[in-house]
Amino acid sequence: DAGITQSPRYKITETGRQVTLMCHQTWSHSYMFWYRQDLGHGLRLIYYSAAADITDKGEVPDGYVVSRSKTENFPLTLESATRSQTSVYFCASSREGRLAKNIQYFGAGTRLSVL
Amino acid sequence: TQLLEQSPQFLSIQEGENLTVYCNSSSVFSSLQWYRQEPGEGPVLLVTVVTGGEVKKLKRLTFQFGDARKDSSLHITAAQPGDTGLYLCAGPTGFQKLVFGTGTRLLVSP
Repeated sequence: DAGITQSPRYKITETGRQVTLMCHQTWSHSYMFWYRQDLGHGLRLIYYSAAADITDKGEVPDGYVVSRSKTENFPLTLESATRSQTSVYFCASSREGRLAKNIQYFGAGTRLSVL
Repeated sequence: TQLLEQSPQFLSIQEGENLTVYCNSSSVFSSLQWYRQEPGEGPVLLVTVVTGGEVKKLKRLTFQFGDARKDSSLHITAAQPGDTGLYLCAGPTGFQKLVFGTGTRLLVSP
């Protein structure tokens, strides 16, 4: 049971470079989410997706792009990385429907440093 | 925008002590969840409270949902080093989305 996996676990990049963080889930969950975690802010939603080819902005979407061509993958791209995007990024997934009760399952995170 | 404020932000205690973490909002939530995040890992769900006034126990952890469904608390009895981690409350905001609290970082020393 692989669950939800993120890659890479650690990434160092330079200002202005494009970076893509990968997220893959094996549960066929409909919903997927990208969060960033910064001290004092908890988890803030960047983008989410309700199904393949359906994505929407969260609380802090500026500077990020997502796509979801397949249900199991939800990559997050920083088009031109800035130092303020240094953070820990978490991907999560959730089933659809009332019985899902909004429970989200998280990957182990990607620690990104932008120099 | 629905916000969840947690207090305290950081807590350092000795093994065997009791503690309470609070999660407060000015908004009403249909339910609240508590997650625990260990270093280097993602958050993992501990419990969901649904009914105003509800109390749920998970071994030494007791969770309570406020009567008005605007707040929740987590009480740990006789804390152990294995309880160390970041505790996050979260409330649903529609379309399976959650808003997370600011987090409480707990350190339990032997």
